[in-house]
Amino acid sequence: AQKITQTQPGMFVQEKEAVTLDCTYDTSDQSYGLFWYKQPSSGEMIFLIYQGSYDEQNATEGRYSLNFQKARKSANLVISASQLGDSAMYFCAMREGQRGFQKLVFGTGTRLLVSP
Amino acid sequence: DTGVSQDPRHKITKRGQNVTFRCDPISEHNRLYWYRQTLGQGPEFLTYFQNEAQLEKSRLLSDRFSAERPKGSFSTLEIQRTEQGDSAMYLCASRRDSYNEQFFGPGTRLTVL
Repeated sequence: AQKITQTQPGMFVQEKEAVTLDCTYDTSDQSYGLFWYKQPSSGEMIFLIYQGSYDEQNATEGRYSLNFQKARKSANLVISASQLGDSAMYFCAMREGQRGFQKLVFGTGTRLLVSP
Repeated sequence: DTGVSQDPRHKITKRGQNVTFRCDPISEHNRLYWYRQTLGQGPEFLTYFQNEAQLEKSRLLSDRFSAERPKGSFSTLEIQRTEQGDSAMYLCASRRDSYNEQFFGPGTRLTVL
């Protein structure tokens, strides 16, 4: 079974600074995908970024980038120029199952607090 | 695109009662997932539909849980004889063929007294 580990229960960052949220994964599959979701206090899971195991370039989406290190089995999320609205829970996830099915396996999350 | 919607957003019920939740996926998304999230944890997979067919169920889904997706559009999740351990956020997500991203709804927060 696949597993996602997020070792940082909470992170603090000042507005406009960059922050890295850690994620390591465990899988025996050759083909897999990694995701980051943001969950504000309202509860909705907001998709941020996706990285496929065969993608050679690190994924980027605006202020979000995914630092993918395959040999180390890590997929850290980097948020540049933090904003107050970035304060939320952040979950790393991996898809598991056949390509059509694809359930997500989540880590326990990291709570990010951005201070003025 | 309108996003995934869920109804109700909050449900408080007494132990032993039945509850039903509804999920309306994004219109062109034929794949639909239900997850459950308890406090301090990430979401856990419950069940999966491709169109109207329920193709996968987690062992978390006891006999008291049933899900349907008639006509491959909206989906319902029913919990019979609720227990206090059922208290959680129930999240629905949908995905389009050939795309990786699952888009989540706002969730239904269930409290069983």
